[in-house]
Amino acid sequence: NAGVTQTPKFRVLKTGQSMTLLCAQDMNHEYMYWYRQDPGMGLRLIHYSVGEGTTAKGEVPDGYNVSRLKKQNFLLGLESAAPSQTSVYFCASTPQWYSNQPQHFGDGTRLSIL
Amino acid sequence: KQEVTQIPAALSVPEGENLVLNCSFTDSAIYNLQWFRQDPGKGLTSLLLIQSSQREQTSGRLNASLDKSSGRSTLYIAASQPGDSATYLCAENAGGTSYGKLTFGQGTILTVHP
Repeated sequence: NAGVTQTPKFRVLKTGQSMTLLCAQDMNHEYMYWYRQDPGMGLRLIHYSVGEGTTAKGEVPDGYNVSRLKKQNFLLGLESAAPSQTSVYFCASTPQWYSNQPQHFGDGTRLSIL
Repeated sequence: KQEVTQIPAALSVPEGENLVLNCSFTDSAIYNLQWFRQDPGKGLTSLLLIQSSQREQTSGRLNASLDKSSGRSTLYIAASQPGDSATYLCAENAGGTSYGKLTFGQGTILTVHP
């Protein structure tokens, strides 16, 4: 049981390039989340999904897009990367918001924008 | 807007000490409070989840309490060990239309030295 898997683990981009971060979970969870973690800022929610085919904005959505075409996958896209998007990105999932089960996190993607 | 604060920001103790990490939150309508551990370069590992109807939860040497009226949670670690060295994060789940989104504190960096 792999839990939550994020790919890639590391990536360096140039300003203006685009890329997609993949999150896959094998626990049949309905809810999935993308957070970013920055020094001094803690973890902040970018986007989230309450089920297949749904997405919604979190606290810091600008510059990012997401898609949830399959229940097990949640993709985070950077359309035109900026240095301010240098961060560690974490994906998480949970069965339902009311399940009183903890969120399960992946190991993160460390992204540097030059 | 929900806010979560953790005190202290960093803590260094000798092995064997009992210690308390503090977490305060502003939303009295909290659904649950989650404590996580994060090792350097890794993702978040769930330690304890306290439901709003509970006062405390225990797992091994860890005990977490919740006081909704004062907006506080504490994580008590008994007989600390060098392997406990990590960053400890608390997060509030406000429930309802927040759809399980977590609001995180900035963490307490714990160092337990032999």
